[in-house]
Amino acid sequence: QVQLQESGPGLVKPSETLSLTCTVSGGSISSYYWSWIRQPPGKGLEWIGYIYYSGSTNYNPSLKSRVTISVDTSKNQFSLKLSSVTAADTAVYYCARGGITMVRGVYDAWFDPWGQGTLVTVSS
Amino acid sequence: SYELTQPPSVSVSPGQTASITCSGDKLGDKYACWYQQKPGQSPVLVIYQDSKRPSGIPERFSGSNSGNTATLTISGTQAMDEADYYCQAWDSSLYVFGTGTKVTVL
Repeated sequence: QVQLQESGPGLVKPSETLSLTCTVSGGSISSYYWSWIRQPPGKGLEWIGYIYYSGSTNYNPSLKSRVTISVDTSKNQFSLKLSSVTAADTAVYYCARGGITMVRGVYDAWFDPWGQGTLVTVSS
Repeated sequence: SYELTQPPSVSVSPGQTASITCSGDKLGDKYACWYQQKPGQSPVLVIYQDSKRPSGIPERFSGSNSGNTATLTISGTQAMDEADYYCQAWDSSLYVFGTGTKVTVL
């Protein structure tokens, strides 16, 4: 079964760029939509964006100016870069496999499975 | 932007039924799904396409969606069901999460 694992620095300085990688195992990255989602401590979930294996992307408008998601199909990995971080970007960052299909004329979109998550703290 | 609103908390006695609502404009015209998140763990998909259960999800979890409200129902609630629950839908090519509901099994 497909498993996802996030990796990257747990501490980033303000104004710098947060960089994370998600490694997909047990299945190919060459289908589905691959997303990043974050959760500030004690708060709810926020979708950051996704990448399709072909390289097409879609980002949350609230973060679009600072986000870049890329994919490396040869390594079965996809990555997140979030620039100009502040303390408000402190969160657990999850990667997840996403499905987007049309069923009876309506889009069905979900995430399954998720990675275990990695806490990124923005602090000097 | 599209918003999904959930009650902050729901309490239920063991063995009883818990209902968690998710409200959004014309949500019934979209598909809703639900995630369970236990403390310190990643979210797990428990309902998709309004009412379908992924493999391995107990039958006591069910869902419905009509009008402006989607509902997750946990029948015969067990202590292990104590968790945060999030709804999620797709709007204007974006994934949207609900505000989350903490379910406490008293």
